[in-house]
Amino acid sequence: AQKVTQAQTEISVVEKEDVTLDCVYETRDTTYYLFWYKQPPSGELVFLIRRNSFDEQNEISGRYSWNFQKSTSSFNFTITASQVVDSAVYFCALSEEFQAGTALIFGKGTTLSVSS
Amino acid sequence: NAGVTQTPKFRVLKTGQSMTLLCAQDMNHEYMYWYRQDPGMGLRLIHYSVGEGTTAKGEVPDGYNVSRLKKQNFLLGLESAAPSQTSVYFCASGAGPSNSPLHFGNGTRLTVT
Repeated sequence: AQKVTQAQTEISVVEKEDVTLDCVYETRDTTYYLFWYKQPPSGELVFLIRRNSFDEQNEISGRYSWNFQKSTSSFNFTITASQVVDSAVYFCALSEEFQAGTALIFGKGTTLSVSS
Repeated sequence: NAGVTQTPKFRVLKTGQSMTLLCAQDMNHEYMYWYRQDPGMGLRLIHYSVGEGTTAKGEVPDGYNVSRLKKQNFLLGLESAAPSQTSVYFCASGAGPSNSPLHFGNGTRLTVT
């Protein structure tokens, strides 16, 4: 079963539109961590946010905001007033306990295209 | 700050050839990981290490081996490359998911013909 589901494969918006990227996760752990990473066309992976399972407060950072809801196992990411530079692949990830330690399991990513 | 450095950046192999990808980090991180990225598949965990001298299997370990002889280095080996191993490989390091996010290298693009 997929642990991290990003149902939106591709999203296209016009500059200044708001856009929400969905992330639904599945875990049996009571303590876990959720992440969002950005991969611009240049290919590197850029960390955006980490959230632990005990902190359900929404977070805002500039034009970015995150909505964590344990009741629906969702950790959605909203970009307000999108810009062309926001065009990238966005990955949601979940900490997973493997046999010998903890690792991140990634969703398949959502490709966001922002046109001018 | 070098962070996480992967070598080489690009490589073309023929089926059956072997090679080693090197990952080096200068942040004194205990955890190191190898992921592969394929179109439409996201990043999938190949192997990981929770400290010097330790390695463990991830989601897709078959066809790969790893070694962590020094804390700062994590090597990924392909003993007999197959076209299915054509991918972009990312190395990452971290102090642990509870302490810090993962820091990623810039990736190695491997093509197996």
